[in-house]
Amino acid sequence: GQNIDQPTEMTATEGAIVQINCTYQTSGFNGLFWYQQHAGEAPTFLSYNVLDGLEEKGRFSSFLSRSKGYSYLLLKELQMKDSASYLCAAIDSNYQLIWGAGTKLIIKP
Amino acid sequence: GAVVSQHPSRVICKSGTSVKIECRSLDFQATTMFWYRQFPKQSLMLMATSNEGSKATYEQGVEKDKFLINHASLTLSTLTVTSAHPEDSSFYICSARDPGGEVTEAFFGQGTRLTVV
Repeated sequence: GQNIDQPTEMTATEGAIVQINCTYQTSGFNGLFWYQQHAGEAPTFLSYNVLDGLEEKGRFSSFLSRSKGYSYLLLKELQMKDSASYLCAAIDSNYQLIWGAGTKLIIKP
Repeated sequence: GAVVSQHPSRVICKSGTSVKIECRSLDFQATTMFWYRQFPKQSLMLMATSNEGSKATYEQGVEKDKFLINHASLTLSTLTVTSAHPEDSSFYICSARDPGGEVTEAFFGQGTRLTVV
């Protein structure tokens, strides 16, 4: 079956760095998304990886290893506004999005 | 980037009534739109795939007679929750991809918070 695993909750300190991991098993693979979702709001796009390696975009970076079925989202210089859920989603061979349950990130002062 | 507009953002209705949610792609034509439901502290659950000019494809366990989907044009898909019950209270989100662009992201509507009382 198809499956996405990511931690349920993480806590980090303002100004620090946090890495949110995601492992996936899908029927075929056409890339992986990371989304940020604040409570009661729709997800907003953060990154898309389809090739192995690290994609850096400001304070956020995303890494993909296709051979390991693994990705992570790295958030640097954490700010209080980064408190949100972070959703990992993989695209299968039918171009359907397979969603993880999300990681709730709590930022403490 | 492309914009998807969803309306209304919040709706409260009485049990037994029907509610229509609209999803519009504002600057691209979406041949396919997706409808998701999200319960508190849970991930997005795909309900159905809406195809312009044809019947929607529903995921297993989703009642097609209860959740009516109409994709009458390339920029508009609607989800109607018929005979709503309190257990239908949830966050409903639509998304669409620009078929003329690369697969870089799915564009989401703002979401609709449905409360059935």
